[in-house]
Amino acid sequence: TQLLEQSPQFLSIQEGENLTVYCNSSSVFSSLQWYRQEPGEGPVLLVTVVTGGEVKKLKRLTFQFGDARKDSSLHITAAQPGDTGLYLCAGDGGSGNTGKLIFGQGTTLQVKP
Amino acid sequence: EPEVTQTPSHQVTQMGQEVILRCVPISNHLYFYWYRQILGQKVEFLVSFYNNEISEKSEIFDDQFSVERPDGSNFTLKIRSTKLEDSAMYFCASSTAQGSEAFFGQGTRLTVV
Repeated sequence: TQLLEQSPQFLSIQEGENLTVYCNSSSVFSSLQWYRQEPGEGPVLLVTVVTGGEVKKLKRLTFQFGDARKDSSLHITAAQPGDTGLYLCAGDGGSGNTGKLIFGQGTTLQVKP
Repeated sequence: EPEVTQTPSHQVTQMGQEVILRCVPISNHLYFYWYRQILGQKVEFLVSFYNNEISEKSEIFDDQFSVERPDGSNFTLKIRSTKLEDSAMYFCASSTAQGSEAFFGQGTRLTVV
């Protein structure tokens, strides 16, 4: 069974601080996606990483896919209150690549002004 | 910007009743999915659908569940006889190809009483 474990589960920081969220698995994924979810809404796609070692930047957010494609990280520089939310990683988990996504349990980020 | 839309946003039903959750995927997408998220838990895969048939389903997706694409735009999830434990947010998602980026709707909150 493929599992994705995120850490930390909760993070409360002050505005301006940097942070890193980790997404780890013992399984290899051909791609991994990061989503952000607001309360009562659906996950919103932030980025997809597909190549081992790949680094993608989205403004102050930096995403990295591990060389072995078993783990990923999300680094936020100079966090702002608007970054507050639930961050989810999800890997392709389908047998035969049906598009099924396996989700981590999420990291709840609170950025205090 | 194209988006996945779901109706209703909130459904309250009595235990044992049938419910149909509706989704309109993004128009040029070919792969469709249902996920659910019980309050405080992970987003869980239910089923993937392509070319008018189920391509993969999870253990959760038992005989009480069914999916249908009744016309060219709608994608529905039916629960025949709801149980208390079916209470959750149900998310529809769609993608252009197998394993490509999935876009989620805003969800339907199902409450079984």
